[in-house]
Order: sequence, then C-alpha cells, then structure tokens
Amino acid sequence: QQQVRQSPQSLTVWEGETAILNCSYENSAFDYFPWYQQFPGEGPALLISILSVSDKKEDGRFTIFFNKREKKLSLHIADSQPGDSATYFCAANGSSGNKLIFGIGTLLSVKP
Amino acid sequence: GPKVLQIPSHQIIDMGQMVTLNCDPVSNHLYFYWYKQILGQQMEFLVNFYNGKVMEKSKLFKDQFSVERPDGSYFTLKIQPTALEDSAVYFCASSLSQGGTEVFFGKGTRLTVV
Repeated sequence: QQQVRQSPQSLTVWEGETAILNCSYENSAFDYFPWYQQFPGEGPALLISILSVSDKKEDGRFTIFFNKREKKLSLHIADSQPGDSATYFCAANGSSGNKLIFGIGTLLSVKP
Repeated sequence: GPKVLQIPSHQIIDMGQMVTLNCDPVSNHLYFYWYKQILGQQMEFLVNFYNGKVMEKSKLFKDQFSVERPDGSYFTLKIQPTALEDSAVYFCASSLSQGGTEVFFGKGTRLTVV
C-alpha cells in the first residue's frame, strides 16, 4: 500500500521556469511533511517542510502548498536552475511518530 | 550542517556471510534510523532505535537483521546471513526528537551481495 504518492516520476523544465512537484497521502494522522533533495551518490537532504496546520510555506525559491482536506501538497521551485536537477522526495510523519514514509520521488531535470 | 557519517561507502560481500554497516549519528541526537533504498525505488523504513532499544521495525527488517549502539559508539546494522535481495543502499539517519523534527541522513552504504 502506497501511503505517499508522488507525481510526475520525472519532470524536465527549462532554466528560469517554475517546476511543480506533486504529492498526496492517505493517512490522516500524518501532520509533518518534509521534502528531501537527493543528488546521485548522496543521502537525502532536507529542503523544506510544512506542518499540517499551515497551508503554505516559503523558503527562498521553494514553496510548499498544502491542502489538508484533499490530502495533497505540492512543491514549487521558482526560477529553476540547472543545479536544482536532482530527485525530490516527499515524505510524511505523524506528530507522535518516529518514522518517515517516503514517496517514490520525482526526478527533476533543469535544462539551461 | 550536522553530519551523519556512514562507513563504508561500498561493501561487496558473498551471500551467506555477515556484514556490519556502521553509522556515526549527529552527536546530540537521540533517535536513530535505518532506511533501505533499492536503485530507482523509494526509501523504505527499516527500523528506529532510541534509548538502547528498537522502537519500531518494518516487515523489511528480517530476523537476520539486528541493530545496536553500544555506549555511544557506532550505531550498527548487522545482517547475518546476507541474501541476494539484501543488495541495496542503506541509509542511516538520526534526529534530536521524534515527530515533526528534522531527520538527518548519511550518504549511504551501497551493499552488494554476490
């Protein structure tokens, strides 16, 4: 059972465009949603996160939009740069939980 | 930022042999985790560990797997005996607390069982 779903599996955008990565979840108990960025040969690194009490979180070029009713969230990367090319994982956890449930990831390619 | 170190980065081992993956978590962290990632697939939770005990494990954490952290030394994942399907990248992670707190990951150990 896939508790966290991501789409698309791969995405190509041009430099300067906004990349939109989608995520949905099933478990209503999830209330913490981090996005991780992973480069080949590296471990995942936390990029930005949101708690379910918020509907938006911004950090520089990265913005999470969260819709609790629909159990959906999205990561927007504005002014995409070639250096943003990586795999992005959406994850979820409960406030009393101690494990992250990951989606399958979106492979982002930003073309110069 | 805080670093989780994993040793070794690559390990090739014969099927049936024992392997120990080592992790040096962030120094003041209290919760430790192992995740498994097969190439091209998602990161899957294996186990978490707190105060010297396994708190939760997934069905991927087979009987052949064990974890320990003797007295502040490495947090280890031991597989004995190894099987071909254990080939994957194993990521160690740590966090200061549980729930909505940042979890830091190491670079992973690529395990190849031949």
